Amino acid sequence: EAQVTQNPRYLITVTGKKLTVTCSQNMNHEYMSWYRQDPGLGLRQIYYSMNVEVTDKGDVPEGYKVSRKEKRNFPLILESPSPNQTSLYFCASSLTGGYNEQFFGPGTRLTVL
Amino acid sequence: LAKTTQPISMDSYEGQEVNITCSHNNIATNDYITWYQQFPSQGPRFIIQGYKTKVTNEVASLFIPADRKSSTLSLPRVSLSDTAVYYCLVGRMDSSYKLIFGSGTRLLVRP
Repeated sequence: EAQVTQNPRYLITVTGKKLTVTCSQNMNHEYMSWYRQDPGLGLRQIYYSMNVEVTDKGDVPEGYKVSRKEKRNFPLILESPSPNQTSLYFCASSLTGGYNEQFFGPGTRLTVL
Repeated sequence: LAKTTQPISMDSYEGQEVNITCSHNNIATNDYITWYQQFPSQGPRFIIQGYKTKVTNEVASLFIPADRKSSTLSLPRVSLSDTAVYYCLVGRMDSSYKLIFGSGTRLLVRP
């Protein structure tokens, strides 16, 4: 089944404790992206990747890192999480660009205490 | 990137046709218009995409006037399960890597 998977789905952590949210797609898509969603703010793009080893900042990249060492994986790294990073995170992928139909993962609900 | 403006919320009843309009006054020549649907606690789902005139699929229709400064997503005969948030996006086909979703339109379908 074609899909985007994220892990973990739920995470409660404390300020400053490094964490990684994994994202994987099995559709051989070149483009992958991370979004965060907060009440009243819609979806905001954090980082995106056009292909392996090619990443760039979205609208709200501060406090986040990403890497794209393999085509299928695009982990989101929070080196020192803070409470303002408490949010619902979505990973998405599409064939070649953001304008293509994007397939979203199920989401990761992160709480930073 | 063209900014989009949508109504914050809309109400409808089962069986009615719902039209959600998106304004994108600064749309560029190479920009396409895409709509997504999102249910609570789920990732958005692609509905439809178009460049001009009218596009129709099994779920919805997308109407784009000649000046392309706005677009209308039309949902025929909505049901309770169409209650969701609908996002309009505008982006170039050649370099739409950075995307702006905006706050979307919250559609509530009542029995």
